[in-house]
Amino acid sequence: AQRVTQPEKLLSVFKGAPVELKCNYSYSGSPELFWYVQYSRQRLQLLLRHISRESIKGFTADLNKGETSFHLKKPFAQEEDSAMYYCALIYSSASKIIFGSGTRLSIRP
Amino acid sequence: GAGVSQSPRYKVAKRGQDVALRCDPISGHVSLFWYQQALGQGPEFLTYFQNEAQLDKSGLPSDRFFAERPEGSVSTLKIQRTQQEDSAVYLCASSKGTGRDANTGELFFGEGSRLTVL
Repeated sequence: AQRVTQPEKLLSVFKGAPVELKCNYSYSGSPELFWYVQYSRQRLQLLLRHISRESIKGFTADLNKGETSFHLKKPFAQEEDSAMYYCALIYSSASKIIFGSGTRLSIRP
Repeated sequence: GAGVSQSPRYKVAKRGQDVALRCDPISGHVSLFWYQQALGQGPEFLTYFQNEAQLDKSGLPSDRFFAERPEGSVSTLKIQRTQQEDSAVYLCASSKGTGRDANTGELFFGEGSRLTVL
């Protein structure tokens, strides 16, 4: 079955430290993956997608088909990065988008 | 407004009551999604519309859940005979194109409708 797994419910790091939010997926087709973010009292919004291969707010994510992973990374965390982060997968056969359970990132000053 | 609008923002229902949740997507957006988000969980897919056609309703948890988008714009999610396990935030999202289009597949979310069933 298609599934997105985010093993960490909470990740707490100090400001300036590197961040890695883990995401693993289970999908037999050609995956397309995204990271969505929800800042406090804001709506869920797109952070980045793997097909764009871009860095947004210093975050990058590389699709590793061998490990079926799409981890989100940032070399130096900032306090404004504190938020809920959701990894999402879109099926190749349709436009159904499924989300992981989310990781709360807390940046300590 | 320019964003996805959902109403009501909060709804308290007695068990057994019917509720209707409304979503106004961004004008011109083809795709519309409904998600259910329980406390501490990620959004769970309920159903997907492309214009007025409901292309996927595989996530609707029971036949008490019904969604429509008759004119390809506003959508309503109806829950009949609500149960306590229906308590959740119901999120609506729209996108300009279909999800796999890199240019138009970005989902724009509403603020959600928080349903509490007593």
